[in-house]
Amino acid sequence: SYVLTQPPSVSVAPGKTARITCGGNNIGSKSVHWYQQKPGQAPVLVIYYDSDRPSGIPERFSGSNSGNTATLTISRVEAGDEADYYCQVWDSSSDPHWVFGGGTKLTVL
Amino acid sequence: EVQLVESGGGLVQPGRSLRLSCAASGFTFDDYAMHWVRQAPGKGLEWVSGISWNSGSIGYADSVKGRFTISRDNAKNSLYLQMNSLRAEDTALYYCAKSAFGGSGIEEHAFDIWGQGTMVTVSS
Repeated sequence: SYVLTQPPSVSVAPGKTARITCGGNNIGSKSVHWYQQKPGQAPVLVIYYDSDRPSGIPERFSGSNSGNTATLTISRVEAGDEADYYCQVWDSSSDPHWVFGGGTKLTVL
Repeated sequence: EVQLVESGGGLVQPGRSLRLSCAASGFTFDDYAMHWVRQAPGKGLEWVSGISWNSGSIGYADSVKGRFTISRDNAKNSLYLQMNSLRAEDTALYYCAKSAFGGSGIEEHAFDIWGQGTMVTVSS
């Protein structure tokens, strides 16, 4: 079964850039989606198809995907960006299914 | 306003059944694949099941295969999850989620709209 590996936590000072990684075997050949989840709230899609932003998501959020690592980058981090972030891919193996990473807690210092 | 509202959760004993519902509004329901995603207390997201717009394509996580059944009624703009033989490890908040793009199966497209979830607790 396909595994997505995320760091449990990332810390960043306000105004700086946060990078959250999502590792997987040849993940660059898959489409990666990213979600933000704040405490007590449902997940919100922030990046789809590696690097596209849904309407209403600030340009500060961007994504990239190559080789064995996909990255969510948040520029000019704000206190309101503090949340859990999850990556997601479709595993088209013999038993197709959706896979989520374990999640990364972003702390704004 | 695009909205998904889940219902049907509650406290249930191990081995019993429960049926979750998700009422959709604000979009053309029968154009989109739909999914159930769960989150155990303090844990991450886990995809449970998905169903294509016309019910022609259905998938399940290994952890629920053979016990859970997903279905939809496009005339009622509703998604369902029949959960049988429930176990303690099924305890979670269950979200209903919409595929971001229409006319497809359950693969590839992100989930752009999520409900607020319905809590299922399996305990004796």
